[in-house]
Amino acid sequence: AQSVTQLGSHVSVSEGALVLLRCNYSSSVPPYLFWYVQYPNQGLQLLLKYTSAATLVKGINGFEAEFKKSETSFHLTKPSAHMSDAAEYFCAPTSGGSYIPTFGRGTSLIVHP
Amino acid sequence: IAGITQAPTSQILAAGRRMTLRCTQDMRHNAMYWYRQDLGLGLRLIHYSNTAGTTGKGEVPDGYSVSRANTDDFPLTLASAVPSQTSVYFCASSATSGGNEQFFGPGTRLTVL
Repeated sequence: AQSVTQLGSHVSVSEGALVLLRCNYSSSVPPYLFWYVQYPNQGLQLLLKYTSAATLVKGINGFEAEFKKSETSFHLTKPSAHMSDAAEYFCAPTSGGSYIPTFGRGTSLIVHP
Repeated sequence: IAGITQAPTSQILAAGRRMTLRCTQDMRHNAMYWYRQDLGLGLRLIHYSNTAGTTGKGEVPDGYSVSRANTDDFPLTLASAVPSQTSVYFCASSATSGGNEQFFGPGTRLTVL
């Protein structure tokens, strides 16, 4: 079964600063990798999806993530944080069996003015 | 287009009572899922259904049951609620279970006293 680690339950950045949210999956290469975002009191919505077609994946709202097999990582980045980016972010790799994603524990992004 | 609706929005329930959380989607998706979200634990899969008429157990199925009589509806039942089932419950759907994007409902906040 797939496992996932999101380093840092909270990440705090200033508005305009680089955003880096870390995600590491277990040793088996997942067929798909997702990043989802959850705004307060809402359900999750898709930010981006890796499908092995390209290692650098661009998503909505200026976010992107790079798949690095050698590091078993799929970190999420954004060059310049906006106040509206404050939310909970979840990394979710799938396994080769069921293809149902396993969600990480989430990272809360805090953006300071 | 409503997407996914969940009812009720919130509920306070006495321990030992039976409760059914409702979930309906209008996207004609084959796959549906139930997750619970607890602080610090992310989302954990309770049950899923790859297509109408079939269901499967997720990571934390004990104390919960589901049915999938048709494509649109996927109710989650707590036969005899316990305080540890206090959580926020999210229903989700995807076109198929093969690594497609999941669409989430707004959630049901359940408190068991």
